[in-house]
Amino acid sequence: GAGVSQSPRYKVAKRGQDVALRCDPISGHVSLFWYQQALGQGPEFLTYFQNEAQLDKSGLPSDRFFAERPEGSVSTLKIQRTQQEDSAVYLCASSYGTGTIGNTIYFGEGSWLTVV
Amino acid sequence: KQEVTQIPAALSVPEGENLVLNCSFTDSAIYNLQWFRQDPGKGLTSLLLIQSSQREQTSGRLNASLDKSSGRSTLYIAASQPGDSATYLCAVRHPGGFKTIFGAGTRLFVKA
Repeated sequence: GAGVSQSPRYKVAKRGQDVALRCDPISGHVSLFWYQQALGQGPEFLTYFQNEAQLDKSGLPSDRFFAERPEGSVSTLKIQRTQQEDSAVYLCASSYGTGTIGNTIYFGEGSWLTVV
Repeated sequence: KQEVTQIPAALSVPEGENLVLNCSFTDSAIYNLQWFRQDPGKGLTSLLLIQSSQREQTSGRLNASLDKSSGRSTLYIAASQPGDSATYLCAVRHPGGFKTIFGAGTRLFVKA
């Protein structure tokens, strides 16, 4: 596609509910990143995929967070038993090269999650 | 642990003014530094990417400089316009790592 596409754009979840956020990266991009952005802050790294391999998940805040990219293209970030502190914008990004190469990173518009 | 700081946190200038946004980082062993723009309710748009071996990059009215030894980068915006109003973020990447570490951003408002 022309850019990184994320869905849903907005999600309101009740505390304790499970949510799934989808990311469709730019076609042919090897690298895929997930970030969490709280209001007024810069994005915080969650996890990185190189094709289907999850090479870094050090930023996932708890075992309630899980990400996958089974076929090396579309990725899903799943949050189980959502808590109020999970309320944030979840940004997906992709780049052409592998994660250690300084390629430009392209971001989607984000999925805004509010947990009530 | 790498920390990225952006000063000022917010800036308001009249249209036409030249301005400088600052970014500092604590660990100078970076691979590259990237400047992004974020409009309200939107994702991030890459503006300029500077590799560690480079001193500056230019795109239109934007010029970004990098001084690795002092841990600083600046984004210079010439002849600012109301359409430049947005949050500007800088981010650094380390060699061999996958994370891009962001500052909190500078909110810019250009008054017509």
